[in-house]
Amino acid sequence: GNSVTQMEGPVTLSEEAFLTINCTYTATGYPSLFWYVQYPGEGLQLLLKATKADDKGSNKGFEATYRKETTSFHLEKGSVQVSDSAVYFCALKSGNTPLVFGKGTRLSVIA
Amino acid sequence: ETGVTQTPRHLVMGMTNKKSLKCEQHLGHNAMYWYKQSAKKPLELMFVYSLEERVENNSVPSRFSPECPNSSHLFLHLHTLQPEDSALYLCASSPGTSGGAQSETQYFGPGTRLLVL
Repeated sequence: GNSVTQMEGPVTLSEEAFLTINCTYTATGYPSLFWYVQYPGEGLQLLLKATKADDKGSNKGFEATYRKETTSFHLEKGSVQVSDSAVYFCALKSGNTPLVFGKGTRLSVIA
Repeated sequence: ETGVTQTPRHLVMGMTNKKSLKCEQHLGHNAMYWYKQSAKKPLELMFVYSLEERVENNSVPSRFSPECPNSSHLFLHLHTLQPEDSALYLCASSPGTSGGAQSETQYFGPGTRLLVL
C-alpha cells in the first residue's frame, strides 16, 4: 500500500539556519506529493506540491523536489525564521486512494 | 467568509452528551472530509464525501455519525463518546477526489478541539 515516512522530530534550529526535513514514500503508480504545515492552534495548510518526477514545488522560501529514483520529497529552506515554527506533514495521493500523511515533524526555531 | 470554517472551535462534553461539529466550505468544492488528529498519532481519515455521497468510511465507531446535506456543509454528530475520543477534529475539502493534484489538493479548516470528560 501507499505510505509516507518522515524524519522523527522535534527539530530545533537557530534563526537563519538551513532546514531539511526528510520524506520518503512508497506508492503504486505515479503519486502526487505534498507538504502541509500546521501552525500552533490551527488546521493544516498546503505549503507546496509536485505532481511528477523532477518537479520542484516551492512556496514562502521552502522547496521540495520530487525524486522518483530515491522515492523522496525532502523539504528544504535556506534560512528559517521563528515564524516557521510549526508541524510539517509530508503526504501523497495516488489514483483513487485517499491522501496519505506522514506522522509530522515538529520544527522549533529559536531566536 | 472564505476557505473552510469549523464550529465550534472548542468543545467539552460528557460521555452521555450529544453534540455536533459543523464544517462549511466556501470554495465551491465537491468533496469534503473529516479527520481525527490525536497527540503523537498520525492523522486519521474518518469519512469522505463526494457530491454529498459517502465514499470512504474507515471503520469509524458508530458513535460518530457524519451528515452531508449539500456540497458546502458537513456535520459530525457525536453521541456517547469516550475519553479517548478527545482530539482535534479537522474538516477539509477538495475540488474532487481523483483526477490529479489540482483537483485532489485538500484545504483544511482550523479544527474543533474536543475534550470528552
